[in-house]
Amino acid sequence: NAGVTQTPKFRVLKTGQSMTLLCAQDMNHEYMYWYRQDPGMGLRLIHYSVGEGTTAKGEVPDGYNVSRLKKQNFLLGLESAAPSQTSVYFCASSRTSGRTDTQYFGPGTRLTVL
Amino acid sequence: GQQVMQIPQYQHVQEGEDFTTYCNSSTTLSNIQWYKQRPGGHPVFLIQLVKSGEVKKQKRLTFQFGEAKKNSSLHITATQTTDVGTYFCAGAGGAGNMLTFGGGTRLMVKP
Repeated sequence: NAGVTQTPKFRVLKTGQSMTLLCAQDMNHEYMYWYRQDPGMGLRLIHYSVGEGTTAKGEVPDGYNVSRLKKQNFLLGLESAAPSQTSVYFCASSRTSGRTDTQYFGPGTRLTVL
Repeated sequence: GQQVMQIPQYQHVQEGEDFTTYCNSSTTLSNIQWYKQRPGGHPVFLIQLVKSGEVKKQKRLTFQFGEAKKNSSLHITATQTTDVGTYFCAGAGGAGNMLTFGGGTRLMVKP
């Protein structure tokens, strides 16, 4: 099993450009999450999904959109990138709610917005 | 909203010394999880504590959950270079499906 994979691993964008980050998991997990990690601020939840076709806002959702059309995939979109979105993005999944279940993280995507 | 604070932010220790990181929540937690992130890596689940006053051990790591379920600690005895990384606590309080992560404590070990 590959676990949780993320593409791309690195990306540089110019302000105003758009992009989509792809997360895939092969563990048949119901719950999936997108976090951003900034120095000294830990992991902050952007959006999450409790099942195929469902999404919900997390702590810092502004400027991002998500979709979960297939159970194994969770996409994170930036419609108009801003320098404040420079960060490391982690996807995670869990079998049941991540409140009480182990979250498995992907390797991360390092995004720089110029 | 719920806030989870961790101290210290950084800690340098000599190999063989002990290390402790503390996690404090602004609200009562239903449970707390701990994760470790190696440099350049991704967070990896270590443990979950649920009961008031709970203490769990994993080899040289000891995890505690406070009696009031508002704080937690991770203690490493006799650190090794393999312990290097950032340790995060993450708490769940109130309703919803979200965990709130602390800012993490970065542990550096000098051989």
